[in-house]
Amino acid sequence: DAGVTQSPTHLIKTRGQQVTLRCSPKSGHDTVSWYQQALGQGPQFIFQYYEEEERQRGNFPDRFSGHQFPNYSSELNVNALLLGDSALYLCASSLATSNYEQFFGPGTRLTVL
Amino acid sequence: ILNVEQSPQSLHVQEGDSTNFTCSFPSSNFYALHWYRWETAKSPEALFVMTLNGDEKKKGRISATLNTKEGYSYLYIKGSQPEDSATYLCAPHSDKLIFGTGTRLQVFP
Repeated sequence: DAGVTQSPTHLIKTRGQQVTLRCSPKSGHDTVSWYQQALGQGPQFIFQYYEEEERQRGNFPDRFSGHQFPNYSSELNVNALLLGDSALYLCASSLATSNYEQFFGPGTRLTVL
Repeated sequence: ILNVEQSPQSLHVQEGDSTNFTCSFPSSNFYALHWYRWETAKSPEALFVMTLNGDEKKKGRISATLNTKEGYSYLYIKGSQPEDSATYLCAPHSDKLIFGTGTRLQVFP
């Protein structure tokens, strides 16, 4: 049983560019959450998707957007990249009926130059 | 907004030592407290989910307690081993997970 997978593992972009990160949830899970972990901080909640809609959102600007597909996989898009967007981006999947347990992927390391 | 604090920030212990960490948070407005173990270059791994005041959970040499009235949780590791080296994160769960900055544990042989 594959766990949560994310791609790519690492990514380097320049300021102003746009980036798309991808997440495949654990088999059977229908809800995907995205977190940003900046250096020296704990993961911060960006947003959560369920039934292809954004269900909740943290304190992130509109440059951060997402999408969930019918197969429950998800994308995180960041436009107009800033140096401060450099971070580890984690995806977590869960079941809407049991949102207590969130299973995390290994993350995508984004570096903005 | 929940402010979650974890202490200490980092800890270095010898193999065989027992150790404990603290997670403190505002005592209201959440329905579960999560502990995660995160090894470098791997995915955060769920250790415990606790929901009730006075809850105690145990997994092998690792245990945790929860005090919702005063807003803290302790994680204990008995007889630390080098493979316990990791960052330990706590996260109260209200409408979303709010993570602390973690305690980084290094266990030396």
